[in-house]
Amino acid sequence: ETGVTQSPTHLIKTRGQQVTLRCSSQSGHNTVSWYQQALGQGPQFIFQYYREEENGRGNFPPRFSGLQFPNYSSELNVNALELDDSALYLCASSLFSKGDWNTGELFFGEGSRLTVL
Amino acid sequence: QQPVQSPQAVILREGEDAVINCSSSKALYSVHWYRQKHGEAPVFLMILLKGGEQKGHEKISASFNEKKQQSSLYLTASQLSYSGTYFCGTEFGKTSYDKVIFGPGTSLSVIP
Repeated sequence: ETGVTQSPTHLIKTRGQQVTLRCSSQSGHNTVSWYQQALGQGPQFIFQYYREEENGRGNFPPRFSGLQFPNYSSELNVNALELDDSALYLCASSLFSKGDWNTGELFFGEGSRLTVL
Repeated sequence: QQPVQSPQAVILREGEDAVINCSSSKALYSVHWYRQKHGEAPVFLMILLKGGEQKGHEKISASFNEKKQQSSLYLTASQLSYSGTYFCGTEFGKTSYDKVIFGPGTSLSVIP
């Protein structure tokens, strides 16, 4: 079984630009969650996608948007980049059980490190 | 709604025990525990669902007190490999749109 893979691993952008980060979920998983992790901080929840629909959103502005595809892979898009967007972006896949409302064990990818200059 | 973790940091000698606490101001449905080593992704340790159960994973175990909205992670006879930052993640269930929300982390260093 393949693990969670993210691309790109590192990227540098300038303020105002747009970025797309990609995530391939683990085989058999139906849910992808995206997190932003600043240096020395815990992962901050951005949003979760379950079966191609947004299933939860944290306190992030609308310029953070996402997609989940039929194969359960996902994209995170950030428009109008700001300096504070510099962080490690983590994707985690899981097998969400709506009947139990339990996200389940999160399998994290290695992350995409974004630097905004 | 971010859970609170204590202590912020702890240094242990090999073989010593440690307890990391996680508490929430909101009723919890589940608690996750993860360990992240420097430069790596967080790795799942265990998940506890409401019901006050306790789980174990080799020398690492955890408890979940639903009434107190608290969970504790117990590391016994610590090994050098236990070093890293431990995060608890809380989930509030069907009444909330939030999913797994992580605490600020507890840095654990095990020295020889």
